[in-house]
Amino acid sequence: SQKIEQNSEALNIQEGKTATLTCNYTNYSPAYLQWYRQDPGRGPVFLLLIRENEKEKRKERLKVTFDTTLKQSLFHITASQPADSATYLCAPGGSYIPTFGRGTSLIVHP
Amino acid sequence: DARVTQTPRDKVTEMGQEVTMRCQPILGHNTVFWYRQTMMQGLELLAYFRNRAPLDDSGMPKDRFSAEMPDATLATLKIQPSEPRDSAVYFCASGLGLAGESTDTQYFGPGTRLTVL
Repeated sequence: SQKIEQNSEALNIQEGKTATLTCNYTNYSPAYLQWYRQDPGRGPVFLLLIRENEKEKRKERLKVTFDTTLKQSLFHITASQPADSATYLCAPGGSYIPTFGRGTSLIVHP
Repeated sequence: DARVTQTPRDKVTEMGQEVTMRCQPILGHNTVFWYRQTMMQGLELLAYFRNRAPLDDSGMPKDRFSAEMPDATLATLKIQPSEPRDSAVYFCASGLGLAGESTDTQYFGPGTRLTVL
């Protein structure tokens, strides 16, 4: 069955460092992969979408890579700030029923 | 600033009672999703609609849950009778989907926090 794996343990980093979050998927061949941010008590908010023919996508301090051979996406936040603290969810997409990973909590310490 | 709206934001009810949650998708979006989120299960898809027609509701307990779109501006999720295990946050999301594809970007509402005692 289709499976999405994100690190369930919180990622703790110091302000100014680069945070890297991982999304692995199995039994999928998604046409694209999305990343969302979720703050406590709120709905997820779309951040970035990367398509299968794109290796890398950037938006301000965010960078996403998509390796269809490894079946993995990496999500990077450079020069991280305490305001980046949130849970980040990945969601492979295409002609599939939408499915989200469980998310990884990021905590950026001042 | 277009947003998905959901009502009520919070609902506390007793076991056995009927619960109805409402969602107004973003105008022009043709795809509507209902999700349930708990600490244990994460974000689970319950049902989704394309152009008001149900595309998939396999994630929904059929005996007590029902989802409908009476018109393009309103989606409802009903639980009857409610049970304590239904306690969760229910999110509605909308998006613009193409035929043969799930939607690209999903825009989520603020959620309805349901507590069944």
